[in-house]
Amino acid sequence: ETGVTQSPTHLIKTRGQQVTLRCSSQSGHNTVSWYQQALGQGPQFIFQYYREEENGRGNFPPRFSGLQFPNYSSELNVNALELDDSALYLCASSFIGRKLFFGSGTQLSVL
Amino acid sequence: DQQVKQNSPSLSVQEGRISILNCDYTNSMFDYFLWYKKYPAEGPTFLISISSIKDKNEDGRFTVFLNKSAKHLSLHIVPSQPGDSAVYFCAASDPAGGTSYGKLTFGQGTILTVHP
Repeated sequence: ETGVTQSPTHLIKTRGQQVTLRCSSQSGHNTVSWYQQALGQGPQFIFQYYREEENGRGNFPPRFSGLQFPNYSSELNVNALELDDSALYLCASSFIGRKLFFGSGTQLSVL
Repeated sequence: DQQVKQNSPSLSVQEGRISILNCDYTNSMFDYFLWYKKYPAEGPTFLISISSIKDKNEDGRFTVFLNKSAKHLSLHIVPSQPGDSAVYFCAASDPAGGTSYGKLTFGQGTILTVHP
């Protein structure tokens, strides 16, 4: 059974650019959630996807968007990058339960 | 508005002793609580959870206690081992409805260091 995998592991972008982060959920999991973890803080909920539809969103602007595909993999897209978007982005998957399984994350640096 | 708070940024204990990590919450709608452990360069790993209908849950060396009236939970690790050194996050969930519960509210984390 493969766990949650994320790519890339590290990314450097400049302000104003767009970025796409990818996540493959754990086998059999139908819910994917994305989190942003700033340095020294706990993860903050961005949104979740269930059956390919956004199903819950945290306090993040519309330039944060996502997709979930039929195989339950997911993408997080961030447009018009700002310096404050520099963070670790975590993907988590689950199946009918509140225990989330996290990937190792993508470290995004915005210069 | 920090709904889940871990007021101790760090904790240092001796190997073999008890580690107690604390967490407070403000949202009375939370009905399920989890502890995650995180090593550098890895994602958070689930440790133990507790439903609000219980006041204690135990799994090996790890025990979580929930005091609903005080809106407080704690994680006890006995005995502590050097491999337990990591960042520990408390998280909470409310019944969002349906079968998808991907939203957790996390505390800021506590860095636990266990000295040999």
